Amino acid sequence: GAGVSQTPSNKVTEKGKYVELRCDPISGHTALYWYRQSLGQGPEFLIYFQGTGAADDSGLPNDRFFAVRPEGSVSTLKIQRTERGDSAVYLCASSVGTGGSYEQYFGPGTRLTVT
Amino acid sequence: GQNIDQPTEMTATEGAIVQINCTYQTSGFNGLFWYQQHAGEAPTFLSYNVLDGLEEKGRFSSFLSRSKGYSYLLLKELQMKDSASYLCAFKASGGYNKLIFGAGTRLAVHP
Repeated sequence: GAGVSQTPSNKVTEKGKYVELRCDPISGHTALYWYRQSLGQGPEFLIYFQGTGAADDSGLPNDRFFAVRPEGSVSTLKIQRTERGDSAVYLCASSVGTGGSYEQYFGPGTRLTVT
Repeated sequence: GQNIDQPTEMTATEGAIVQINCTYQTSGFNGLFWYQQHAGEAPTFLSYNVLDGLEEKGRFSSFLSRSKGYSYLLLKELQMKDSASYLCAFKASGGYNKLIFGAGTRLAVHP
């Protein structure tokens, strides 16, 4: 079956530009997560949606980052006024439910490079 | 605060057994996960522990001691395809569903 998909797979942008990263979760998964991963590091939590609402956005580094999930399925991570430090792989994950035992299924990620 | 620590790199020989350790600190705990990540690919789920003890799943086993804040992943009968990063992560309690990941352990399996 289809897993989590993310588009684009690679995005190169200039400093100061706006970017949107898209995530299609596994069908029927109510929870959706965004993480970012820098080289040689583990994924770092950004935001988590339960349905359409952001249940925990404590990982967003500043107000340049924003994410939406208007219909409770596809999510878009939006980054304004990009900076070189935003360069990383942005991973999306989904899970069928919340709570301890539900594993998160990860997408292949979007590699963002800010020049 | 919360933190999680695991060795940066390990090497092992094909056919051998390797143990990857992970220690963590958190005020609330709701489970410990291990993920495998091949270079340039998405992390894939390996195991979940919430109670103390050993969980065995084929060639892979995972152990948890909540009182010590300690887990390990045991890989048996190593194969070349096991060369990857192994990520330890915990989930905090209190309704939080985010995973707090370690930096990962890069395992290189040699013939």
